Amino acid sequence: QKEVEQDPGPLSVPEGAIVSLNCTYSNSAFQYFMWYRQYSRKGPELLMYTYSSGNKEDGRFTAQVDKSSKYISLFIRDSQPSDSATYLCAMSRGSYIPTFGRGTSLIVHP
Amino acid sequence: DAGITQSPRHKVTETGTPVTLRCHQTENHRYMYWYRQDPGHGLRLIHYSYGVKDTDKGEVSDGYSVSRSKTEDFLLTLESATSSQTSVYFCAISEGREDQETQYFGPGTRLLVL
Repeated sequence: QKEVEQDPGPLSVPEGAIVSLNCTYSNSAFQYFMWYRQYSRKGPELLMYTYSSGNKEDGRFTAQVDKSSKYISLFIRDSQPSDSATYLCAMSRGSYIPTFGRGTSLIVHP
Repeated sequence: DAGITQSPRHKVTETGTPVTLRCHQTENHRYMYWYRQDPGHGLRLIHYSYGVKDTDKGEVSDGYSVSRSKTEDFLLTLESATSSQTSVYFCAISEGREDQETQYFGPGTRLLVL
């Protein structure tokens, strides 16, 4: 079992839908949780960062961390075709060496 | 974009030849990383550096070496390229702040080994 599990998708949704992307993990020492967005043929870009548990909101994006369930989520409200990308979760335990999920491919169709 | 550049951006080479990829940063960050990204495997850490001349192996370091003689440059060398090293290579940096472990990635280098 990998330390971080992420469904590769693809996840296909209509424009305007609420998108939920998720990762589960097994290492209870993880404290830092990140979401990256990667467009085709580009490098990953940091989207959201959360330390420990709780929620964080930035515009249409909300990141949630549930450490008791070892589960993190990224919600995208009012999804747009420009949100079509691969979303990678990442987490770290204070070692500066994050563990990445394999990424979920999201397609938002008009 | 955290001031990260990678060179070359694309390279085609033949099996058995040495290849060096360069990562350059402009913001004096302590941590630098080399990843490869392949379908079905996601991002895999090759090597990382936590300071000048301080490097360590990652998950898939066999066949790769690195050097960091200056803060701003981190070089990845494939001593004798093989077809299994065909991949997209990403450099990343981390600010190394105590309260934050986010990474910022370069644009990538596409390497094809024939």
